[in-house]
Amino acid sequence: DIQITQSPSSLSASVGDRVTITCRASQGISSYLNWYQQKPGKAPKLLIYAASSLQSGVPSRFSGSGYGTDFTLTISSLQPEDFGTYYCQQSYSIRTFGQGTKVEIK
Amino acid sequence: QVTLRESGPALVKPTQTLTLACTFSGFSLTTTGMCVSWIRQPPGKALEWLALIDWDDDKYYSTSLKTRLTISKDTSKNQVVLTMTNMDPVDTATYYCARTPAVGGNNWFDPWGQGILVTVSS
Repeated sequence: DIQITQSPSSLSASVGDRVTITCRASQGISSYLNWYQQKPGKAPKLLIYAASSLQSGVPSRFSGSGYGTDFTLTISSLQPEDFGTYYCQQSYSIRTFGQGTKVEIK
Repeated sequence: QVTLRESGPALVKPTQTLTLACTFSGFSLTTTGMCVSWIRQPPGKALEWLALIDWDDDKYYSTSLKTRLTISKDTSKNQVVLTMTNMDPVDTATYYCARTPAVGGNNWFDPWGQGILVTVSS
């Protein structure tokens, strides 16, 4: 199976900061990489699909980039409501998720 | 509006078989490119994809769990069912179903059901 390594596992940042989360796949996965946000006690929510396409209704401060093995989720200006855990997920082969990045607001 | 809702037992005993149903509305599993997946999340841990069924009744399973899983669909009821055999306390988790559109080889999970917490304990 394709392994996904997500980093960092957690981060703390201030409102207005630029935040970057990365995922690295163990082999090339083209652009078959998606990003989700999960808040405590809630189901995950799709943010970005196909590496860089913004899901409808998601604020434009979220963006995704990457191709092949290295991918990035960027929050351009962190807002108080952006706390939660973020997961990447590949669909190139048997679907797998990254281990998650917990984002806390300072 | 697309909605999905998981149903099933909240508590199962070790060695028992778990059967979960996902009842959905707002889309059809007969539409080309449409799929439904099951994903689980143990308390405090990461998400784990379990299984997917597509519009053509093709089925895909997690490599590590495929001997224990069966996914099926009833299009007349707009329902997808997951069974997992030989349940163990480590299978305690919130189980989610999600609509999974397949576009150009990629697919993603959107939206998700609210999830159902299943505890495995004697």
